[in-house]
Amino acid sequence: GAGVSQSPSNKVTEKGKDVELRCDPISGHTALYWYRQSLGQGLEFLIYFQGNSAPDKSGLPSDRFSAERTGGSVSTLTIQRTQQEDSAVYLCASSLSDNYEQYFGPGTRLTVT
Amino acid sequence: AQKVTQAQTEISVVEKEDVTLDCVYETRDTTYYLFWYKQPPSGELVFLIRRNSFDEQNEISGRYSWNFQKSTSSFNFTITASQVVDSAVYFCALKIGRGSTLGRLYFGRGTQLTVWP
Repeated sequence: GAGVSQSPSNKVTEKGKDVELRCDPISGHTALYWYRQSLGQGLEFLIYFQGNSAPDKSGLPSDRFSAERTGGSVSTLTIQRTQQEDSAVYLCASSLSDNYEQYFGPGTRLTVT
Repeated sequence: AQKVTQAQTEISVVEKEDVTLDCVYETRDTTYYLFWYKQPPSGELVFLIRRNSFDEQNEISGRYSWNFQKSTSSFNFTITASQVVDSAVYFCALKIGRGSTLGRLYFGRGTQLTVWP
């Protein structure tokens, strides 16, 4: 079946602009996660959605970052007033439920110039 | 606090050699899950295995095997008769079994494995 998809695959933006990254999880998966991967920081957790529960936002690095999940499916990660340190690969993952393995999408490579 | 340590940053082997990737984890939770993921040059993280804290049985899948030892808080990964296609970054990850941060994975920094022909 279809895996996790993310769009765009690449995004170049100017410092100070807002960006939106999209994630389509695997159908039927109730849990959705965002991580980012950069050379200096490795794989960092950002935010986690599980069903209708309040999301775990404990990994968001600043209030410029936000995410929503509509209808328990598609999720959008928004970064406002982007900074150069936001440059990274943003990875989305989904799982059947909390305790199951997470399946990752191909990522969105964000470059802030 | 939760932590995963992969002390080996890079490993190089020649094809057909066996190689073991080390993973040491820290958690105070008694219920937790351990994972290995592979990230080939294409970039997409590929799930390899999940173990829960109550199951210390070692597992073998083809050329891959995993050794889980709670006494040493280790979850090591061995590739037998390595192949060039095994070249990738391998990540070990930990997830605790309860609490508000239930879902998130704590990743190690990864081990870059290069298999030379």
